Amino acid sequence: KAGVTQTPRYLIKTRGQQVTLSCSPISGHRSVSWYQQTPGQGLQFLFEYFSETQRNKGNFPGRFSGRQFSNSRSEMNVSTLELGDSALYLCASSIRTGVSPLHFGNGTRLTVT
Amino acid sequence: GQNIDQPTEMTATEGAIVQINCTYQTSGFNGLFWYQQHAGEAPTFLSYNVLDGLEEKGRFSSFLSRSKGYSYLLLKELQMKDSASYLCAVSKGNTPLVFGKGTRLSVIA
Repeated sequence: KAGVTQTPRYLIKTRGQQVTLSCSPISGHRSVSWYQQTPGQGLQFLFEYFSETQRNKGNFPGRFSGRQFSNSRSEMNVSTLELGDSALYLCASSIRTGVSPLHFGNGTRLTVT
Repeated sequence: GQNIDQPTEMTATEGAIVQINCTYQTSGFNGLFWYQQHAGEAPTFLSYNVLDGLEEKGRFSSFLSRSKGYSYLLLKELQMKDSASYLCAVSKGNTPLVFGKGTRLSVIA
């Protein structure tokens, strides 16, 4: 079974630009979560989608948004990029939120200059 | 809110045993996950404890005490490849996992 796939692996953007990250979950997993990982804060929850609906949202500004498609693939978008958005963005899929293990993709390393 | 604490860094010797602790304060606790993350790679699932006690999986074991809000990950017969960050994460049922900041373990010869 293929794992969680995230594209692209690396991105360099400048302040003020916007970026879209993509995630394909494990086949059969309908829950897709996004996390931001930085050295100082660790893994911070962004949002979770299930059957194309945002089910949970973390404490991030409205510049961070996402969506899920009918095939469970998910995208997240960050608009008006700031230097502090530089981080590793991890997508994870699971069978059931909170009680089955998260399976993570390799992440997208975003650098904002 | 939730408060999850783990040591930031630990160092241990190849072949030894190391215990990585995780304490948490949360309402509605359901269970606790442990993940391993090598530098530059994705976190990978190690264990999930719901009931009190020790669960063993080869060289790795995980312990949970619900009444004390405490868990630990025990790594035996340490190998160099065990050098990684170890993340504990609290589950409150049908809500997203909340992760601790991770413990960076260095295994030295």
